[in-house]
Amino acid sequence: DSGVTQTPKHLITATGQRVTLRCSPRSGDLSVYWYQQSLDQGLQFLIQYYNGEERAKGNILERFSAQQFPDLHSELNLSSLELGDSALYFCASSGGTGSDTEAFFGQGTRLTVV
Amino acid sequence: GENVEQHPSTLSVQEGDSAVIKCTYSDSASNYFPWYKQELGKRPQLIIDIRSNVGEKKDQRIAVTLNKTAKHFSLHITETQPEDSAVYFCAASKGGNKLTFGTGTQLKVEL
Repeated sequence: DSGVTQTPKHLITATGQRVTLRCSPRSGDLSVYWYQQSLDQGLQFLIQYYNGEERAKGNILERFSAQQFPDLHSELNLSSLELGDSALYFCASSGGTGSDTEAFFGQGTRLTVV
Repeated sequence: GENVEQHPSTLSVQEGDSAVIKCTYSDSASNYFPWYKQELGKRPQLIIDIRSNVGEKKDQRIAVTLNKTAKHFSLHITETQPEDSAVYFCAASKGGNKLTFGTGTQLKVEL
């Protein structure tokens, strides 16, 4: 167990809908990262938050948004869902931006858009 | 931004042989280079990492080497076993910022 908790584990929804994925980082970790992994694809960086603030942004679609709350948990919101959004969404956490620390991944949320 | 290239994309070896996966990075400021192993449908898990002040690091059958001048780093697995079969990802970051991952290497260890 990495200490990073993601919910739900599986999500099936229809095109056009909106979903929220949740991530609780390891205790004490200030950074949260979101990654998307499509079938047979690598890990695509979406966005990073550090202590409540957006720190870095990757190829995140405008239909997607995220936030990190005061208790450091994070949510990834995906709206106007398309079939191509079906993927594994991973959250990872690490100690911060000022140190070289290992990132721990959650189990992922498998999103299926039908 | 940082760009990480990883080769090969697939690698088949016989059990007991060695496997080598190579990555290059573009940002000379990157100073942290982890390697992750991902089994099918599971989360990536760190297997070894190296920082820019070190040239080589070993952990049992796994070793990582770093050439800062050439901006490349490699994963070496010796005496491969069937349970080593998985996708391996290299990554690079600077100062704890976002990890930029390579595209992954599917390693298959054949009996």
